[in-house]
Amino acid sequence: NAGVMQNPRHLVRRRGQEARLRCSPMKGHSHVYWYRQLPEEGLKFMVYLQKENIIDESGMPKERFSAEFPKEGPSILRIQQVVRGDSAAYFCASSTDRDGTEAFFGQGTRLTVV
Amino acid sequence: QKEVEQNSGPLSVPEGAIASLNCTYSDRVSQSFFWYRQYSGKSPELIMSIYSNGDKEDGRFTAQLNKASQYVSLLIRDSQPSDSATYLCAVLNQAGTALIFGKGTTLSVSS
Repeated sequence: NAGVMQNPRHLVRRRGQEARLRCSPMKGHSHVYWYRQLPEEGLKFMVYLQKENIIDESGMPKERFSAEFPKEGPSILRIQQVVRGDSAAYFCASSTDRDGTEAFFGQGTRLTVV
Repeated sequence: QKEVEQNSGPLSVPEGAIASLNCTYSDRVSQSFFWYRQYSGKSPELIMSIYSNGDKEDGRFTAQLNKASQYVSLLIRDSQPSDSATYLCAVLNQAGTALIFGKGTTLSVSS
């Protein structure tokens, strides 16, 4: 029973490039959450999605960041025109439902912008 | 802005002792609370969830919740060096859409 799968595990991008982070939820889970962890900072919520729907994107920066969870395939977090401040660990979590159901995290993608 | 507060530590305990980790939250209507463990460079791992006032025990771990005081704690009995990690307290927001995390408490268990 595979857990939450994220890829790539490590991603290096030059300033101005695009970064695409992928997340496949646990089997049976239809709710996906993205979090960002900056060095020496706590985990910060970015966005919550269900299949083909963005439910809560209150934590997403207004520009350059977008997320999707298509009917088929993994959830994608896309960062356009990356800047050095985007360097962080990006974690995806999934759950069977919302409203208190336990969420399980993937291994994360470490993004480094050079 | 709803907040979750934890002492950053480090909290140092000898092997075999009880480690007590504390967390306070600001949103009085919060209903769901979670403890995660995160080893350095790794992802958060769910340890416990608690939804009702009182204690919840799972092996060496006990979560305690006091909604009137807006306080959650995690007790680790018979602490082991492998318990050395950062412990994150998380509270589900009112909409049920996001976990609000504290910055974590670093625990060090010495052998």
